[in-house]
Amino acid sequence: GESVGLHLPTLSVQEGDNSIINCAYSNSASDYFIWYKQESGKGPQFIIDIRSNMDKRQGQRVTVLLNKTVKHLSLQIAATQPGDSAVYFCAEKAQAGTALIFGKGTTLSVSS
Amino acid sequence: GAVVSQHPSWVICKSGTSVKIECRSLDFQATTMFWYRQFPKQSLMLMATSNEGSKATYEQGVEKDKFLINHASLTLSTLTVTSAHPEDSSFYICSADSQGAQPYEQYFGPGTRLTVT
Repeated sequence: GESVGLHLPTLSVQEGDNSIINCAYSNSASDYFIWYKQESGKGPQFIIDIRSNMDKRQGQRVTVLLNKTVKHLSLQIAATQPGDSAVYFCAEKAQAGTALIFGKGTTLSVSS
Repeated sequence: GAVVSQHPSWVICKSGTSVKIECRSLDFQATTMFWYRQFPKQSLMLMATSNEGSKATYEQGVEKDKFLINHASLTLSTLTVTSAHPEDSSFYICSADSQGAQPYEQYFGPGTRLTVT
């Protein structure tokens, strides 16, 4: 289940389950969205991206959904594995050359 | 390709001293680099945008005289934390803009852990 506290919310799942991580973004003019995975003490690692002219994009075991009407982004991870345990951030960019702005993040905890 | 390195990976310094963090794009030229700060269990917060050959643009609330950014070449940007205090202890991450065939991409460094005692 999901819990929200003073820090990053945590999503706890069993190995093999599908995980869905949600993100609300702030800028309706953002044109580019990315999901990053961050392991403890490391920099963000690119997972998947999507442009604003799309509403769904699939990668290997991951799918990103974009709902511009409600400014919502989700990351679906199929057959979640213990190695997927990390913090996941969504990030948005208004246009090329500007900085990515990060969302709050969600800790994914996968138990075997 | 598209590798960004940071040095050092971690540093401990005494309160009141200054520390410099380097960010390098190893296999591409980056006219624009970004500096982020991340406190424990929080998200990455943009500190400043660094453009080669010009002054950095700082986000609201970031002291430009405390966090000195220099982007003197197309492959190197440096962040100097001056007169560091314990509250400056954080994870500092740089990122380089691709500006190539994938104009929206940013490549991130591995981060530098700063601890001020």
